[in-house]
Amino acid sequence: GQQVMQIPQYQHVQEGEDFTTYCNSSTTLSNIQWYKQRPGGHPVFLIQLVKSGEVKKQKRLTFQFGEAKKNSSLHITATQTTDVGTYFCAGRNAGNMLTFGGGTRLMVKP
Amino acid sequence: SAVISQKPSRDICQRGTSLTIQCQVDSQVTMMFWYRQQPGQSLTLIATANQGSEATYESGFVIDKFPISRPNLTFSTLTVSNMSPEDSSIYLCSVDRQPSGYTFGSGTRLTVV
Repeated sequence: GQQVMQIPQYQHVQEGEDFTTYCNSSTTLSNIQWYKQRPGGHPVFLIQLVKSGEVKKQKRLTFQFGEAKKNSSLHITATQTTDVGTYFCAGRNAGNMLTFGGGTRLMVKP
Repeated sequence: SAVISQKPSRDICQRGTSLTIQCQVDSQVTMMFWYRQQPGQSLTLIATANQGSEATYESGFVIDKFPISRPNLTFSTLTVSNMSPEDSSIYLCSVDRQPSGYTFGSGTRLTVV
């Protein structure tokens, strides 16, 4: 079945440093979604990417969808303590099934 | 986006007992999804609940252990039956709000002792 791998599992950064998490699917995706889960909270939808090579920005967050629609990345510029949490990608295949990656837990040292 | 009210938010239960988790959505939806998230792990889909038909369970999850009800288009329940400590986890309901992604309930943190 479809597998979505996400790296790294954990990342410690100093406040102000950049952060990137990568997502790779075993199959071509129809779209990819990103979620953020704060400690003790539930996942919250951030964005969806649909087109091959698509790049979207939300303030300090930049999301990319690969040309082959099998990989994606989330980059945070100049992290802040409010960025702390676990970031999940979730890939949707042609059968409309959504599969979550393992998540990257971001910790930011003030 | 949809608002989902999920309860209870947490519970501590004795092994061998059952717990029913409820989710109420503020609008009608065709499908509701039930996930399990073990500590520090990702989300694993338990089943998809459709109104008027039996839920569709993912590999590794069975109806006898996780019976689901879907009496109408805004409500669903998940029961965790005959609990053991291995069932300690966070349980989440969600709905698909394409293109705005999945909206999740606030989760039920279950501890089985």
